[in-house]
Parts: sequence; structure tokens; C-alpha cells
Amino acid sequence: AQRVTQPEKLLSVFKGAPVELKCNYSYSGSPELFWYVQYSRQRLQLLLRHISRESIKGFTADLNKGETSFHLKKPFAQEEDSAMYYCALKRTSGSRLTFGEGTQLTVNP
Amino acid sequence: EPEVTQTPSHQVTQMGQEVILRCVPISNHLYFYWYRQILGQKVEFLVSFYNNEISEKSEIFDDQFSVERPDGSNFTLKIRSTKLEDSAMYFCASIREWSDTQYFGPGTRLTVL
Repeated sequence: AQRVTQPEKLLSVFKGAPVELKCNYSYSGSPELFWYVQYSRQRLQLLLRHISRESIKGFTADLNKGETSFHLKKPFAQEEDSAMYYCALKRTSGSRLTFGEGTQLTVNP
Repeated sequence: EPEVTQTPSHQVTQMGQEVILRCVPISNHLYFYWYRQILGQKVEFLVSFYNNEISEKSEIFDDQFSVERPDGSNFTLKIRSTKLEDSAMYFCASIREWSDTQYFGPGTRLTVL
């Protein structure tokens, strides 16, 4: 069975500091990995998917199959980045998403 | 940009009552999903629906739950006899094609008293 782990429930950084939100997964096949963001009182929104290799709002994430990780990084955090971030996995068979526990990021002024 | 909508935003019910949560997926989408999130816990998959039938369901989705697409626009989740532990945020999602990313609705907060 697949599993996604986000080891940090809470992460607090200062504006302008680098930020890294960790995500590890376990799955025997070739998964597709996503980062979703949920701003206060808003819906889950897609931030990144690993196959598109984009940078959105300054965030990047690289799939490391050797370490089974998909950490989310941003070199200079902004206050508006404060939100809940969820890492999610989709298996090669089926389209359901398996989510991690989420990391609440707070960017302090 | 089109969005998935859900009604109501908050539903309060008594234990043992039936509830129906409603979702309107994006109009040309073909695959539909329900997830739930108990307060303080992770978002969990409940069920996926395609071509008017359930394509996948989790172990959470027992006989108390059912889904339906009663017309061309709505997608509903029914809980037959609610329990206290059904209190959660319920999210609907939809996609057009298998390879798409899922678009989520704003959620319905269900409180069972």
C-alpha cells in the first residue's frame, strides 16, 4: 500500500528565508507526486506536479526516487506563502490521491 | 475559470440521521471523487465515480455511504445513518481525463451531534 509522510506538522520561517517542506513516500511502483496548498478558508489548490517540472510562485520540487522524496522548496519565503501544504501521491493504476498529513507553514514578517 | 462547487458549506445533523452532501463538478469533467478530512487528520480518499458507477472505493466507504449522479450536473454523497465519527470536512473533486490533476471543491463541514 502507498503512504505519504510529511514529518513536520508546523514550520515557521521569517520572510526572505529559504523554506523546505519535506515529503517522503512509499510505493512499489512509479508514482506521480503532487503538492497541494490550502490558504486560510479556501479550497485545496494544485501547486505543483512532478511531471510538469514547473516552478509555481517560486516553489520547486524534485522527485528523488532513490530517497523516495518530493520536498518542496522556495529560496525566499513571502508572508503570503503562509498556508497548509499537502503532499499527495497518485499510483500508476487508479486515480485516487493519497495525502500526507500536511505541514502548516507560517512566514513571519 | 470554472470551479467545483459544494453545498451546503456546513451541515449539522443528529446521530442516526441521513445526510446528502451535494457537489457540482466542472461541467465537462468525467471522473468524480469524494474525500474527507477529520479535524486534525489527513485528507482521505472515499470513492471515485466514472461512467455512472463506482470505479474505486476505500475501506472507509462502507454500506452507510452511497454516491449518485442524479442528473447531468450534480454528484452526491449520502450517509445513511450518521455516526459521531462521520463529523469531518468532505471534499468533492473532479477531472476530465485520467491524467489530469484533481480540482477540489471548497468542502462541506459535517457536524454530527
